[in-house]
Amino acid sequence: DGGITQSPKYLFRKEGQNVTLSCEQNLNHDAMYWYRQDPGQGLRLIYYSQIVNDFQKGDIAEGYSVSREKKESFPLTVTSAQKNPTAFYLCASSRTSGIQETQYFGPGTRLLVL
Amino acid sequence: QKEVEQDPGPLSVPEGAIVSLNCTYSNSAFQYFMWYRQYSRKGPELLMYTYSSGNKEDGRFTAQVDKSSKYISLFIRDSQPSDSATYLCAMSAWKGAQKLVFGQGTRLTINP
Repeated sequence: DGGITQSPKYLFRKEGQNVTLSCEQNLNHDAMYWYRQDPGQGLRLIYYSQIVNDFQKGDIAEGYSVSREKKESFPLTVTSAQKNPTAFYLCASSRTSGIQETQYFGPGTRLLVL
Repeated sequence: QKEVEQDPGPLSVPEGAIVSLNCTYSNSAFQYFMWYRQYSRKGPELLMYTYSSGNKEDGRFTAQVDKSSKYISLFIRDSQPSDSATYLCAMSAWKGAQKLVFGQGTRLTINP
């Protein structure tokens, strides 16, 4: 089955710790995205990448970092600089050409601070 | 003012009712409109996709776009308890999916 996988499902972070969220897709999509979802605030874009080895900041990139070394993978690191990391993190992917393109989402990772 | 406004609800209706979910937007360049359904603690899944103005029907779901009023709607007929979820509208000015702008989401509960 083609799709997007995110791991872990739940992640706990201690003060001052960096944590990495995994996102893998086998849809052969060029573009990948990371969103943060807080209650009542919809989805806010953290970073996106349209091609391997290239990525751009979204609306709330501060305190986060990403890499795109492979087409299939787009890991997100939540650094200690992110002071309020508790949220639901969603990874998405899409093609970059064609008609009626849209984003497909993974199941999400819930990050909690200890 | 947010580019896309969506009433967060919550909205609670009895089973079998017709549900109307709405979004307004301010950017007249938007021409691609989507509705996503998100069950609790899951990722959003695409429900409807429409281009420009008009209606699109898929089973019990109808998406409506009125670009002159900058207003989109999702109608659910014969609502079922399994329709209970958060519904997110999303829109883009570009044919590609890279620049989606999302509404806040409306939390819907269908009561048996």
